[in-house]
Amino acid sequence: EDQVTQSPEALRLQEGESSSLNCSYTVSGLRGLFWYRQDPGKGPEFLFTLYSAGEEKEKERLKATLTKKESFLHITAPKPEDSATYLCAVQRGHFNKFYFGSGTKLNVKP
Amino acid sequence: DTEVTQTPKHLVMGMTNKKSLKCEQHMGHRAMYWYKQKAKKPPELMFVYSYEKLSINESVPSRFSPECPNSSLLNLHLHALQPEDSALYLCASSPIGLAGARDTQYFGPGTRLTVL
Repeated sequence: EDQVTQSPEALRLQEGESSSLNCSYTVSGLRGLFWYRQDPGKGPEFLFTLYSAGEEKEKERLKATLTKKESFLHITAPKPEDSATYLCAVQRGHFNKFYFGSGTKLNVKP
Repeated sequence: DTEVTQTPKHLVMGMTNKKSLKCEQHMGHRAMYWYKQKAKKPPELMFVYSYEKLSINESVPSRFSPECPNSSLLNLHLHALQPEDSALYLCASSPIGLAGARDTQYFGPGTRLTVL
């Protein structure tokens, strides 16, 4: 059965304290893995797409990596404005469908 | 520009009302999606339109009726909803829209629906 699992469910960091969020997946025929940021009551904001194991993408304090079984979203020296829920999604081959994990709620304290 | 717009931002309706949600994108994307999101839960797929044709219906109750009048516009018609249908309704679009092709979804801001 296709599954997308994110951990931890919640993460509290001090400003400047780097950490990583995990997204593990069991999906046949992975077409792409996506990271989104979602603020309360708003739509998910696209961050990264990863297609192949070994691929890495960076944007400001965020860096996403992909292996054959999981993806990591590394947050370097986070700021309070990075506080949000981070969602991972996968696109499965042969279908135009995207499966979401339950998200990691990140809280960065000043 | 990767903007998807949704109207209204908020909607309150009674169980006997008929209302519609609207979604627009002008990026030339060929697939459009409706998702439902309850508080503290991930988005749940409801419908997918690919090249203006309904390609996926995730066994959604008939009180939700999607419509894609053209490639830029997606509607969700609501009728006889239940209080448990209260949620954030998200629209998304993606450039390619073909099953099996690599694609990326871009989301709108959502419509907060409350059913009394």
